[in-house]
Amino acid sequence: ETGVTQSPTHLIKTRGQQVTLRCSSQSGHNTVSWYQQALGQGPQFIFQYYREEENGRGNFPPRFSGLQFPNYSSELNVNALELDDSALYLCASSSFKQGSRETQYFGPGTRLLVL
Amino acid sequence: QQQVKQSPQSLIVQKGGISIINCAYENTAFDYFPWYQQFPGKGPALLIAIRPDVSEKKEGRFTISFNKSAKQFSLHIMDSQPGDSATYFCAASKRGSTLGRLYFGRGTQLTVWP
Repeated sequence: ETGVTQSPTHLIKTRGQQVTLRCSSQSGHNTVSWYQQALGQGPQFIFQYYREEENGRGNFPPRFSGLQFPNYSSELNVNALELDDSALYLCASSSFKQGSRETQYFGPGTRLLVL
Repeated sequence: QQQVKQSPQSLIVQKGGISIINCAYENTAFDYFPWYQQFPGKGPALLIAIRPDVSEKKEGRFTISFNKSAKQFSLHIMDSQPGDSATYFCAASKRGSTLGRLYFGRGTQLTVWP
Protein backbone atom coordinates (compact mmCIF):
# COMPACT_ATOMS: atom_id res chain seq x y z
CA GLU A 1 0.00 0.00 0.00
CA THR A 2 1.56 3.29 -1.10
CA GLY A 3 1.15 6.42 0.98
CA VAL A 4 0.19 9.93 -0.07
CA THR A 5 2.71 11.48 -2.41
CA GLN A 6 3.09 15.10 -3.47
CA SER A 7 5.07 16.88 -6.14
CA PRO A 8 7.14 18.90 -6.39
CA THR A 9 8.81 18.90 -2.97
CA HIS A 10 9.99 22.49 -3.26
CA LEU A 11 9.05 25.36 -5.54
CA ILE A 12 10.11 28.99 -5.92
CA LYS A 13 7.85 31.43 -7.75
CA THR A 14 7.60 35.18 -8.09
CA ARG A 15 4.65 37.34 -7.14
CA GLY A 16 1.87 37.29 -9.73
CA GLN A 17 2.78 33.90 -11.17
CA GLN A 18 0.61 30.80 -11.14
CA VAL A 19 1.47 27.42 -9.60
CA THR A 20 0.11 23.88 -9.77
CA LEU A 21 0.76 21.36 -7.01
CA ARG A 22 0.00 17.67 -7.35
CA CYS A 23 -1.11 14.95 -4.99
CA SER A 24 -1.57 11.21 -5.38
CA SER A 25 -3.88 9.81 -2.75
CA GLN A 26 -3.24 6.65 -0.79
CA SER A 27 -4.42 3.48 -2.48
CA GLY A 28 -8.14 2.93 -1.90
CA HIS A 29 -8.82 6.50 -0.76
CA ASN A 30 -11.48 8.55 -2.55
CA THR A 31 -11.30 11.90 -0.75
CA VAL A 32 -8.55 14.50 -0.93
CA SER A 33 -8.20 17.58 1.27
CA TRP A 34 -5.68 20.40 0.88
CA TYR A 35 -4.23 22.39 3.74
CA GLN A 36 -1.89 25.38 3.92
CA GLN A 37 0.65 25.42 6.75
CA ALA A 38 2.42 28.74 7.29
CA LEU A 39 5.71 28.67 9.17
CA GLY A 40 5.13 28.04 12.86
CA GLN A 41 1.38 27.54 12.44
CA GLY A 42 -1.05 24.67 12.28
CA PRO A 43 -2.44 23.55 8.93
CA GLN A 44 -5.41 25.55 7.62
CA PHE A 45 -8.08 23.84 5.50
CA ILE A 46 -8.25 25.08 1.91
CA PHE A 47 -10.80 22.72 0.33
CA GLN A 48 -11.75 19.09 -0.12
CA TYR A 49 -12.57 16.99 -3.17
CA TYR A 50 -14.86 13.96 -3.22
CA ARG A 51 -16.05 12.24 -6.38
CA GLU A 52 -14.25 14.83 -8.47
CA GLU A 53 -16.24 17.73 -6.98
CA GLU A 54 -15.36 20.35 -4.40
CA ASN A 55 -16.92 19.31 -1.11
CA GLY A 56 -16.30 22.18 1.26
CA ARG A 57 -13.98 25.15 1.28
CA GLY A 58 -12.12 27.08 3.95
CA ASN A 59 -11.50 30.82 4.11
CA PHE A 60 -9.38 31.05 0.96
CA PRO A 61 -10.02 33.31 -2.07
CA PRO A 62 -11.15 31.97 -5.47
CA ARG A 63 -7.62 32.19 -6.86
CA PHE A 64 -7.10 28.94 -4.98
CA SER A 65 -8.72 26.24 -7.08
CA GLY A 66 -8.44 22.51 -7.49
CA LEU A 67 -9.27 19.39 -9.37
CA GLN A 68 -9.75 15.73 -8.59
CA PHE A 69 -9.24 13.14 -11.28
CA PRO A 70 -11.01 9.77 -11.80
CA ASN A 71 -8.06 7.99 -10.16
CA TYR A 72 -8.62 10.26 -7.09
CA SER A 73 -5.37 12.16 -7.55
CA SER A 74 -5.69 15.91 -7.19
CA GLU A 75 -4.22 19.27 -8.15
CA LEU A 76 -4.12 22.56 -6.28
CA ASN A 77 -3.81 25.64 -8.44
CA VAL A 78 -2.99 29.09 -7.13
CA ASN A 79 -3.22 32.11 -9.43
CA ALA A 80 -1.78 35.59 -8.96
CA LEU A 81 0.64 34.46 -6.26
CA GLU A 82 1.17 36.74 -3.28
CA LEU A 83 4.05 36.82 -0.83
CA ASP A 84 1.75 35.47 1.92
CA ASP A 85 1.14 32.34 -0.13
CA SER A 86 4.60 31.14 0.91
CA ALA A 87 3.88 28.04 2.98
CA LEU A 88 3.91 24.27 3.13
CA TYR A 89 0.97 22.87 1.17
CA LEU A 90 -0.28 19.56 2.48
CA CYS A 91 -2.50 17.04 0.82
CA ALA A 92 -4.45 14.56 2.92
CA SER A 93 -6.40 11.58 1.67
CA SER A 94 -9.07 9.50 3.32
CA SER A 95 -11.62 6.88 2.44
CA PHE A 96 -15.14 8.18 2.89
CA LYS A 97 -17.70 5.67 4.06
CA GLN A 98 -21.27 6.67 4.79
CA GLY A 99 -21.84 7.31 8.48
CA SER A 100 -18.21 6.94 9.54
CA ARG A 101 -15.24 9.19 10.16
CA GLU A 102 -12.08 8.06 8.51
CA THR A 103 -8.54 9.03 9.37
CA GLN A 104 -6.85 11.56 7.11
CA TYR A 105 -3.36 10.62 5.97
CA PHE A 106 -1.04 13.44 5.05
CA GLY A 107 1.62 13.64 2.39
CA PRO A 108 5.03 15.22 3.00
CA GLY A 109 3.92 18.52 1.50
CA THR A 110 5.17 20.97 -1.10
CA ARG A 111 7.18 23.91 0.20
CA LEU A 112 6.28 27.00 -1.84
CA LEU A 113 8.31 30.18 -1.64
CA VAL A 114 6.98 33.31 -3.33
CA LEU A 115 9.52 36.08 -3.95
CA GLN B 1 -10.50 32.94 14.54
CA GLN B 2 -8.69 29.95 16.01
CA GLN B 3 -11.31 27.29 16.77
CA VAL B 4 -8.85 25.11 18.66
CA LYS B 5 -6.45 26.75 21.09
CA GLN B 6 -3.26 24.90 22.02
CA SER B 7 -0.66 25.45 24.73
CA PRO B 8 2.19 25.65 25.41
CA GLN B 9 3.82 26.84 22.21
CA SER B 10 7.05 25.06 23.16
CA LEU B 11 7.98 22.48 25.77
CA ILE B 12 11.30 21.14 26.98
CA VAL B 13 11.29 17.89 28.94
CA GLN B 14 14.03 15.67 30.26
CA LYS B 15 14.27 12.09 29.03
CA GLY B 16 11.96 9.89 31.06
CA GLY B 17 9.72 12.77 32.06
CA ILE B 18 6.06 13.42 31.25
CA SER B 19 5.13 15.80 28.45
CA ILE B 20 1.71 17.44 28.69
CA ILE B 21 0.09 19.49 25.94
CA ASN B 22 -3.31 21.11 26.37
CA CYS B 23 -6.04 22.12 23.95
CA ALA B 24 -9.38 23.86 24.29
CA TYR B 25 -12.31 24.39 21.95
CA GLU B 26 -15.60 26.28 21.90
CA ASN B 27 -17.65 24.62 19.17
CA THR B 28 -19.78 21.90 20.77
CA ALA B 29 -20.38 20.40 17.33
CA PHE B 30 -16.85 18.96 17.40
CA ASP B 31 -17.02 15.23 17.96
CA TYR B 32 -13.62 13.88 16.98
CA PHE B 33 -10.30 14.97 18.47
CA PRO B 34 -7.06 13.66 16.93
CA TRP B 35 -3.48 14.46 17.77
CA TYR B 36 -0.89 14.67 15.02
CA GLN B 37 2.90 14.46 15.25
CA GLN B 38 5.05 16.26 12.71
CA PHE B 39 8.78 15.92 12.19
CA PRO B 40 10.73 18.53 10.19
CA GLY B 41 10.25 18.09 6.46
CA LYS B 42 7.37 15.66 6.92
CA GLY B 43 3.61 15.87 6.87
CA PRO B 44 1.60 15.41 10.08
CA ALA B 45 1.03 11.80 11.11
CA LEU B 46 -1.91 10.66 13.24
CA LEU B 47 -0.77 9.72 16.74
CA ILE B 48 -3.96 9.02 18.67
CA ALA B 49 -7.57 10.20 18.58
CA ILE B 50 -10.58 10.31 20.90
CA ARG B 51 -14.34 10.81 20.69
CA PRO B 52 -16.26 12.67 23.43
CA ASP B 53 -18.05 9.58 24.70
CA VAL B 54 -14.91 8.53 26.61
CA SER B 55 -12.79 10.51 29.05
CA GLU B 56 -9.46 8.86 28.38
CA LYS B 57 -7.72 6.83 25.71
CA LYS B 58 -4.30 5.24 26.02
CA GLU B 59 -2.03 3.84 23.35
CA GLY B 60 1.38 2.82 24.58
CA ARG B 61 3.10 5.85 26.12
CA PHE B 62 0.50 8.26 24.70
CA THR B 63 -2.72 9.14 26.54
CA ILE B 64 -5.49 11.58 25.66
CA SER B 65 -7.54 12.98 28.54
CA PHE B 66 -10.87 14.52 27.55
CA ASN B 67 -13.07 16.83 29.63
CA LYS B 68 -16.33 17.40 27.77
CA SER B 69 -17.83 19.85 30.24
CA ALA B 70 -14.72 22.04 30.19
CA LYS B 71 -14.28 21.57 26.44
CA GLN B 72 -10.65 20.68 26.96
CA PHE B 73 -8.43 17.79 26.01
CA SER B 74 -4.79 17.03 26.56
CA LEU B 75 -2.01 14.75 25.37
CA HIS B 76 0.26 13.08 27.89
CA ILE B 77 3.48 11.46 26.75
CA MET B 78 4.86 9.20 29.44
CA ASP B 79 8.57 8.30 29.67
CA SER B 80 9.38 10.91 27.03
CA GLN B 81 12.25 9.98 24.70
CA PRO B 82 14.53 12.10 22.48
CA GLY B 83 12.83 10.48 19.47
CA ASP B 84 9.58 12.12 20.60
CA SER B 85 11.07 15.54 19.80
CA ALA B 86 8.68 16.91 17.19
CA THR B 87 5.83 19.36 16.76
CA TYR B 88 2.48 18.16 18.07
CA PHE B 89 -0.87 19.42 16.84
CA CYS B 90 -4.24 18.90 18.38
CA ALA B 91 -7.19 19.04 16.02
CA ALA B 92 -10.95 18.69 15.96
CA SER B 93 -13.57 17.85 13.40
CA LYS B 94 -17.35 17.77 13.28
CA ARG B 95 -20.02 15.91 11.40
CA GLY B 96 -21.27 17.87 8.44
CA SER B 97 -21.07 18.27 4.72
CA THR B 98 -17.27 18.41 4.58
CA LEU B 99 -15.90 14.98 5.29
CA GLY B 100 -13.67 15.12 8.30
CA ARG B 101 -12.36 18.67 7.82
CA LEU B 102 -9.77 19.22 10.52
CA TYR B 103 -9.39 22.38 12.60
CA PHE B 104 -5.82 22.46 13.97
CA GLY B 105 -4.25 24.16 16.94
CA ARG B 106 -1.10 26.22 16.41
CA GLY B 107 1.19 23.41 17.51
CA THR B 108 3.61 22.65 20.35
CA GLN B 109 7.28 22.14 19.66
CA LEU B 110 8.48 19.43 22.04
CA THR B 111 12.16 18.94 22.80
CA VAL B 112 13.22 15.98 24.91
CA TRP B 113 16.75 16.27 26.31
CA PRO B 114 18.74 13.04 26.77
